[in-house]
Amino acid sequence: DQQVKQNSPSLSVQEGRISILNCDYTNSMFDYFLWYKKYPAEGPTFLISISSIKDKNEDGRFTVFLNKSAKHLSLHIVPSQPGDSAVYFCAAGSDRGSTLGRLYFGRGTQLTVWP
Amino acid sequence: ETGVTQTPRHLVMGMTNKKSLKCEQHLGHNAMYWYKQSAKKPLELMFVYNFKEQTENNSVPSRFSPECPNSSHLFLHLHTLQPEDSALYLCASSPRTSLGEQFFGPGTRLTVL
Repeated sequence: DQQVKQNSPSLSVQEGRISILNCDYTNSMFDYFLWYKKYPAEGPTFLISISSIKDKNEDGRFTVFLNKSAKHLSLHIVPSQPGDSAVYFCAAGSDRGSTLGRLYFGRGTQLTVWP
Repeated sequence: ETGVTQTPRHLVMGMTNKKSLKCEQHLGHNAMYWYKQSAKKPLELMFVYNFKEQTENNSVPSRFSPECPNSSHLFLHLHTLQPEDSALYLCASSPRTSLGEQFFGPGTRLTVL
């Protein structure tokens, strides 16, 4: 049973425009969420995170929004650049209970930014 | 060398072979993880080590055997694997097992013939 879902396997955006990557989760115990970026032949690298006490976190061109009632989060990249082309993974975890420290990942969304 | 390194980067093995994957982190972290990424599937957590002690085994078959001799090194010993075990095996580390960023290595692409 997949607890973190990224329903769009791919997204194509023109350079300079906004990229919006979406992620849904099912476990209401999750209270910490992360986005990772992965280039081919490399491991995932951490991009940005958000805890459940916030609904927005911004870092430069990257902003993550959290809607707890909808169990939904999104990553906005603006403006998008060709170097942003990569696979983006959403991950979630809980800071309590038996799953302490364990991260659950989505399948990833391939973002392509074209000139 | 910095970060998390993994060797080999690519491995092809037969079902009767025994091989080992190696992970090393130079970040001073105390927690290390093995993940498996199969085609079109999310990353699956396999094992967690915290201060060299295994704290989680996510129902992984015994043909995968982890070893953590110290906080900087993590091994995954492989024997009598199946073709469906072909995948990308990723190692990660973090300061501790409580929530926070995990740092990933580049992975070992394993093919079982």
